[in-house]
Amino acid sequence: TAGITQAPTSQILAAGRSMTLRCTQDMRHNAMYWYRQDLGLGLRLIHYSNTAGTTGKGEVPDGYSVSRANTDDFPLTLASAVPSQTSVYFCASSEADRSSTDTQYFGPGTRLTVL
Amino acid sequence: GQNIDQPTEMTATEGAIVQINCTYQTSGFNGLFWYQQHAGEAPTFLSYNVLDGLEEKGRFSSFLSRSKGYSYLLLKELQMKDSASYLCAVTDSNYQLIWGAGTKLIIKP
Repeated sequence: TAGITQAPTSQILAAGRSMTLRCTQDMRHNAMYWYRQDLGLGLRLIHYSNTAGTTGKGEVPDGYSVSRANTDDFPLTLASAVPSQTSVYFCASSEADRSSTDTQYFGPGTRLTVL
Repeated sequence: GQNIDQPTEMTATEGAIVQINCTYQTSGFNGLFWYQQHAGEAPTFLSYNVLDGLEEKGRFSSFLSRSKGYSYLLLKELQMKDSASYLCAVTDSNYQLIWGAGTKLIIKP
């Protein structure tokens, strides 16, 4: 099984441009998440979705938007990229609705550089 | 605020045992996870603790003390492939996962 796929693998983007990071899972998981990971910092939650049709803001949502039109896809959009959004972005999914035993499974990540 | 502390980096010798500690201060507690992350790769699930005590899974064990806000990951019979970062994460009262910055483990022959 593929699990979670992300595209692109890496991208260099000019500041001010928009971009959508794609995430698709084939595990029929209800919940999906977007994180960014920066050197020396823990994974930080950008946005999440508990189920198709709903989304919520995480710890660092500013400058990002998401949608969840169906169970499988959870794209992350940067409307107008800034250099501080240079990071590695991970998409994750989990089976249940963020319950205590809910294990998250991660995609391979997208390395984004904003110049 | 919510906080998870782990050592930034540890070094150990192939074949030895290493213990990676994690202390946490969160608004509520609903479980603690350990993930492994090799350089340039995604985090992968290692273990989950919600009750006090030791959970053993092959060469890896994870311990939890809720009263002390403390956990450790114990890796035995270290192999070169164990060189990776180890991430501690706690589910808080809102069922949000709070992540530590990770411990980079370097294994030397």
